Amino acid sequence: DTGVSQDPRHKITKRGQNVTFRCDPISEHNRLYWYRQTLGQGPEFLTYFQNEAQLEKSRLLSDRFSAERPKGSFSTLEIQRTEQGDSAMYLCASSFGNHEQYFGPGTRLTVT
Amino acid sequence: QKEVEQNSGPLSVPEGAIASLNCTYSDRGSQSFFWYRQYSGKSPELIMSIYSNGDKEDGRFTAQLNKASQYVSLLIRDSQPSDSATYLCARVPYNQGGKLIFGQGTELSVKP
Repeated sequence: DTGVSQDPRHKITKRGQNVTFRCDPISEHNRLYWYRQTLGQGPEFLTYFQNEAQLEKSRLLSDRFSAERPKGSFSTLEIQRTEQGDSAMYLCASSFGNHEQYFGPGTRLTVT
Repeated sequence: QKEVEQNSGPLSVPEGAIASLNCTYSDRGSQSFFWYRQYSGKSPELIMSIYSNGDKEDGRFTAQLNKASQYVSLLIRDSQPSDSATYLCARVPYNQGGKLIFGQGTELSVKP
């Protein structure tokens, strides 16, 4: 069990560019969650997958955001036409069913 | 009313004392509750999960849940400077796929 991994750990991009983040969950976990956290706040839910199916998306997830989990293993989160308000820590977590969620190290996005 | 409320702190306790962190929530349908610890610049780390009323102890940590009062707390005994972090309370709403809803976190500072 190597834990949840995320790549990249840091990303600096210019406004209007597209970015993509990757998450590799704990291998036996069938659920994968994406959250976003800004300074001084708790993480906010964005979306989650059970196996390859995306089962819920938050209203926070505008149409510029898309997430995939093509084979029920790793997941990608893409942000198109980034805005300064997208600057945040993007966190991935995984679980087996409704059990405890374990977080990856996060990807810190800075939009300049 | 926020779905999960925590005192933002900072809460300052001397080394060796008991730190008490509190959390209230607004949804009586919540089934599961979690405490995460987050060091500055890092991702949340799971400390405790609690599902039924009463106390749950794990080492120096005790979680307490009172569903009738919609209240969950975390006690840290023999606080150490290494416990200085932000503590996040989270709940999982009933029948909503396991997504976590977080409070804003309480900053704890343990003074040597």
